[in-house]
Amino acid sequence: GPKVLQIPSHQIIDMGQMVTLNCDPVSNHLYFYWYKQILGQQMEFLVNFYNGKVMEKSKLFKDQFSVERPDGSYFTLKIQPTALEDSAVYFCASSLWGLNTGQLYFGEGSKLTVL
Amino acid sequence: GEQVEQLPSILRVQEGSSASINCSYEDSASNYFPWYKQEPGENPKLIIDIRSNMERKQIQELIVLLDKKAKRFSLHITDTQPGDSAMYFCAASEGYQNFYFGKGTSLTVIP
Repeated sequence: GPKVLQIPSHQIIDMGQMVTLNCDPVSNHLYFYWYKQILGQQMEFLVNFYNGKVMEKSKLFKDQFSVERPDGSYFTLKIQPTALEDSAVYFCASSLWGLNTGQLYFGEGSKLTVL
Repeated sequence: GEQVEQLPSILRVQEGSSASINCSYEDSASNYFPWYKQEPGENPKLIIDIRSNMERKQIQELIVLLDKKAKRFSLHITDTQPGDSAMYFCAASEGYQNFYFGKGTSLTVIP
């Protein structure tokens, strides 16, 4: 079936450094999302993105976070600077909005460890 | 944003019995309710969903019920097998624009 690719699968960085998580969504999808999950707990919504703009973001989407998808390339989540509490698995997802499916497809996740 | 409550957080059942997970939501505009299964170290995968124009949907051993009046929906797994052991997440969405997840239920099926 359709696949969402995430790069890297795992990244370890020092607190204060910048990290960029990359997502290659399903090719004809229009909505893109980032979710944060700590150790098998709840999938917490961070942000969704449509037509080049952030549509909605949660309180977890701190000022240090930013998203973009320049020229239809990777949909990226950038954290600058990182903090210890940013350690988590970040899942990218995409969906085809406006049709009957509406299914959310998740990537395999990017595990971020901030030391 | 939408708030989705999910109970129980932990569920242990005997193989062959049924497992039920309940979710409630707040926003009456939510109209799409998917369920995801997540195995350890993997991504969540859609297993069944229901739209607001339905009250019941079944795919093999999975049954979802939706009570729009009460703003509740539930997943029932009949004849559970050890392979059903996983985390299960319910979610609510309005117009597929955003998906809010419950806190998850860790299901263990005991052989």
